[in-house]
Amino acid sequence: AQSVTQPDIHITVSEGASLELRCNYSYGATPYLFWYVQSPGQGLQLLLKYFSGDTLVQGIKGFEAEFKRSQSSFNLRKPSVHWSDAAEYFCAVELNAGNMLTFGGGTRLMVKP
Amino acid sequence: EAGVTQFPSHSVIEKGQTVTLRCDPISGHDNLYWYRRVMGKEIKFLLHFVKESKQDESGMPNNRFLAERTGGTYSTLKVQPAELEDSGVYFCASSQGPGSTQYFGPGTRLTVL
Repeated sequence: AQSVTQPDIHITVSEGASLELRCNYSYGATPYLFWYVQSPGQGLQLLLKYFSGDTLVQGIKGFEAEFKRSQSSFNLRKPSVHWSDAAEYFCAVELNAGNMLTFGGGTRLMVKP
Repeated sequence: EAGVTQFPSHSVIEKGQTVTLRCDPISGHDNLYWYRRVMGKEIKFLLHFVKESKQDESGMPNNRFLAERTGGTYSTLKVQPAELEDSGVYFCASSQGPGSTQYFGPGTRLTVL
């Protein structure tokens, strides 16, 4: 079955430390790939997306993600985490343009001072 | 430019009652999507409108849920009668067309007692 997996439900990092959130997908073809963030009391905000081309994608708020076809992964990274990055992060895929998004279960990030 | 708005932000109802959720997409966006996140689970697709037509309603859980988008502008999602398992956060998203980003609203938190 087609699916999106975020293996880490919770992650805690210290402010200033680097961050990597994992995302794996299971699809026959390469889907469109997204990372969204939901801060407390807010809606889902798009951080970045991959459709094609360069496999390293830059997003907002200093985030980047790398698409690795061989590993069916699209991990999100940030070199130095800020306290305001504490939120829940969702990886999502879109199999065909204009279709629904399929989400992973989310990773809740906590940032220690 | 105004984002996607949803009303109400919270709703608490008793089992058996009816609730109607509203979504106003970004102006000019023909595509409108409804998603739901029940407690502890991933965000799941419910249905997709293109203008006033239902493009895909494969995610609607049962016939207690009715979505409309008269005139191709705002959309409503009615739950009648509500059951305990309908509790969760209902998200609406809109996009301009195939391949374009889905922008999400803040969600409506529904609690069925």
